[in-house]
Amino acid sequence: GEDVEQSLFLSVREGDSSVINCTYTDSSSTYLYWYKQEPGAGLQLLTYIFSNMDMKQDQRLTVLLNKKDKHLSLRIADTQTGDSAIYFCAERGDTGKLIFGQGTTLQVKP
Amino acid sequence: EPEVTQTPSHQVTQMGQEVILRCVPISNHLYFYWYRQILGQKVEFLVSFYNNEISEKSEIFDDQFSVERPDGSNFTLKIRSTKLEDSAMYFCASSEVAETQYFGPGTRLLVL
Repeated sequence: GEDVEQSLFLSVREGDSSVINCTYTDSSSTYLYWYKQEPGAGLQLLTYIFSNMDMKQDQRLTVLLNKKDKHLSLRIADTQTGDSAIYFCAERGDTGKLIFGQGTTLQVKP
Repeated sequence: EPEVTQTPSHQVTQMGQEVILRCVPISNHLYFYWYRQILGQKVEFLVSFYNNEISEKSEIFDDQFSVERPDGSNFTLKIRSTKLEDSAMYFCASSEVAETQYFGPGTRLLVL
């Protein structure tokens, strides 16, 4: 069935780049997403990529998609303490529902 | 910037009671969704709603659950007889087009 997997935790120093990885199983996924969840808050849509693209850049965020390996990554350049949050990868299947990974907690140390 | 809102932010209820979770989607959006996140688990899809009817529902969305769009702005999730395992954070989402879903802040439901 459809499944999305992420590593649970990443710790980086302020100013470094962060790379959060995700794998998914559904080859028919049309869109893949990154959401950010700060403590006590909802899911904020950060960026998304259409499945026929390899890369998308949006300011400090770069999304890379390897469709052959079903691997998605989110790179955050110049990571700041305000980037500390849980980052969720999600895929959108044919029917429109989103299937989420378990979330990666990003800890940014000053 | 328009956003999805949800009320209440927290709800505590006794097992067997009915609860209604409310959402106000972004005003020009056409697609509406409910998801839930049990503590420590993944965010799970419950139901999608379009053109005044359910488009898809998950296995979780059994007869105890129902959704309604009672007027032009609200979208509600009703749980008829709550169980302990319904304790979770419930997220509403909406989208104008199918590609991008915007989420509300969630309602934390605790069933005692």
